[in-house]
Amino acid sequence: AQSVTQLGSHVSVSEGALVLLRCNYSSSVPPYLFWYVQYPNQGLQLLLKYTTGATLVKGINGFEAEFKKSETSFHLTKPSAHMSDAAEYFCAVTSPNFGNEKLTFGTGTRLTIIP
Amino acid sequence: KAGVTQTPRYLIKTRGQQVTLSCSPISGHRSVSWYQQTPGQGLQFLFEYFSETQRNKGNFPGRFSGRQFSNSRSEMNVSTLELGDSALYLCASRRTGSSSLGANVLTFGAGSRLTVL
Repeated sequence: AQSVTQLGSHVSVSEGALVLLRCNYSSSVPPYLFWYVQYPNQGLQLLLKYTTGATLVKGINGFEAEFKKSETSFHLTKPSAHMSDAAEYFCAVTSPNFGNEKLTFGTGTRLTIIP
Repeated sequence: KAGVTQTPRYLIKTRGQQVTLSCSPISGHRSVSWYQQTPGQGLQFLFEYFSETQRNKGNFPGRFSGRQFSNSRSEMNVSTLELGDSALYLCASRRTGSSSLGANVLTFGAGSRLTVL
């Protein structure tokens, strides 16, 4: 079974400060990892993904994440927070297991940007 | 190109009723998945359909069902509604039935928000 733990259900950062959202995963097989963002009254939008290859992945809106197998982590970062980054962020895991590729999500982290 | 379209966006039902939600995937996408999002349980997988066949099912009671049509559009149905079924129901599509191609990620719709009174 796979699982995702997101540390911190609420994170507040000042505008212009570093954003760091934490995600640790558990998987018995090589994982595929994702970060999604959800704005109020909207669905989920993909920020970035890791499947294979380069462990540092860059996504939209200046976000990036690094896959660290030894730490089973996939933390999301952004050097400088913008007011428009305020949203809820979800880390998710799946694996290329044909026929059983559901996404397992973490509980989410609500990011608040302080002006 | 058009994204994943879910209808209706909002609906209110009473306990004991049933509801049908619709999802139109991105053109060319053959796999459709459904997720339930609640404040208490978070995002939970309901089921996935590919080429009109249910390939995978989450841990939900039989009151939750779905189907997929030949044009890849999908519907999910919840019968005998309970208060706890109040949730945002999200549909997502992808091109094929496998994520192993790497780029074949899920694209989500805006959801259908169901309130059960």
